[in-house]
Parts: sequence; structure tokens; C-alpha cells
Amino acid sequence: QQKVQQSPESLTVSEGAMASLNCTFSDRSSDNFRWYRQHSGKGLEVLVSIFSDGEKEEGSFTAHLNRASLHVFLHIREPQPSDSALYLCAVSPGANTGKLTFGHGTILRVHP
Amino acid sequence: EAGVTQSPRYAVLQEGQAVSFWCDPISGHDTLYWYQQPRDQGPQLLVYFRDEAVIDNSQLPSDRFSAVRPKGTNSTLKIQSAKQGDTATYLCASSRTGGGSGNTLYFGEGSRLIVV
Repeated sequence: QQKVQQSPESLTVSEGAMASLNCTFSDRSSDNFRWYRQHSGKGLEVLVSIFSDGEKEEGSFTAHLNRASLHVFLHIREPQPSDSALYLCAVSPGANTGKLTFGHGTILRVHP
Repeated sequence: EAGVTQSPRYAVLQEGQAVSFWCDPISGHDTLYWYQQPRDQGPQLLVYFRDEAVIDNSQLPSDRFSAVRPKGTNSTLKIQSAKQGDTATYLCASSRTGGGSGNTLYFGEGSRLIVV
């Protein structure tokens, strides 16, 4: 059964400083990786989807996938206080399934 | 384009009471999902439908939880005889099979349940 773990549990950065979040997964055959953001009391907002090893950039968000090491990272360039939220890593076994396995998330706080 | 709509946004129950949550997916999305998100945890899949058919309900506690999507559009998740352990946010999501970006799920804002 797929296991998804995220680190750190929480992260505090200053406005404009790069923020890096880590996600590890257990099933190397997983095909589909997404990062979501959740502001308090709100739904999930998809930030970036990645399906092959390497990097994928969407605005200020860059995902980096390395299947061999079972890691997918999220880098946030020049975060703003409005980026303070819960960041969730989601893994699915294939492109055509919505059976996502989520990590517990990283709480990001961005100080002005 | 309207997003995924859920109601009610909040519910507070005593143990043993029942509650129903309603979800209206994005128009044209054939697949609908219900996730349970306990406080400070990631969402966990309960059940999902393609059109009106249940595709996977293996994680749905069948003795007290039920979900339907009778016409392949809106869906209702019902909890009977609620327990304190059911306290969580219930998220509905929808997607379009064969859509771009590898079947991206779009989530509603959730229905927050507190059982006292």
C-alpha cells in the first residue's frame, strides 16, 4: 500500500526567501504526482502536476521528481505572506485515476 | 465556470445523530470523489464514482456511511449514527476522464463536521 510522507511538518521563512518542501513515496511504479495548497478553511488548490523525472515549473512553484530516490520536492520562489498555507503532496498509481494518496502536509508560514 | 460546490459548510452533531453532505461537481466532469480529512492530516479517499456507478468504496465504513450519485451529477454522502471519530472535513472533488493534465482533481471547500 502506498505510503506518502512529507517533511518538515512546519516551515517558517521570510518573505522572498526560497521555501523547499519534501515528499517521499513508497511505490516506485507511481505515475502521477501533484502538489496542492490549502488555505485555512478552504478547499485544495492544485499547484503543479508532474509525471516524469525532472522538473516542472508553474509560476513561482517548481516540482522536482526523482523516482529512483522516491522523492518529489516542491520549491517556492520568493514566497509571499499570502502563500502561508498547508501544502499537500498527492501520489496516484496512474494518469487516469483519481485515487490519490496524500501526505499529512507541511504548514508553511511566510513572515513579512 | 463554477467550481465544485458543497453544502452545508459546517455541521455540529451529538453522537448518534445523522447528517447528509451534498456535492455539485463541475459541469461535464464524469468522476466524483469523496475524501475525509481529519484535522492536521491529509485527505483520505472514501469513495468515488464514474457517472452513477461506484468505482471504489473499499475505504467507506459501510455500516454507517453511504454515498450515492443517482443521475451521475450531484452526490450525497450520508453518515448515520455519527461518532466522535468522524470529526473531520469532508471534501468532494471532481474530474473529467481523459481531460488534460492527467486527470486533475478539482476540490470543493469542504463540509466541516464536529461530533460532540
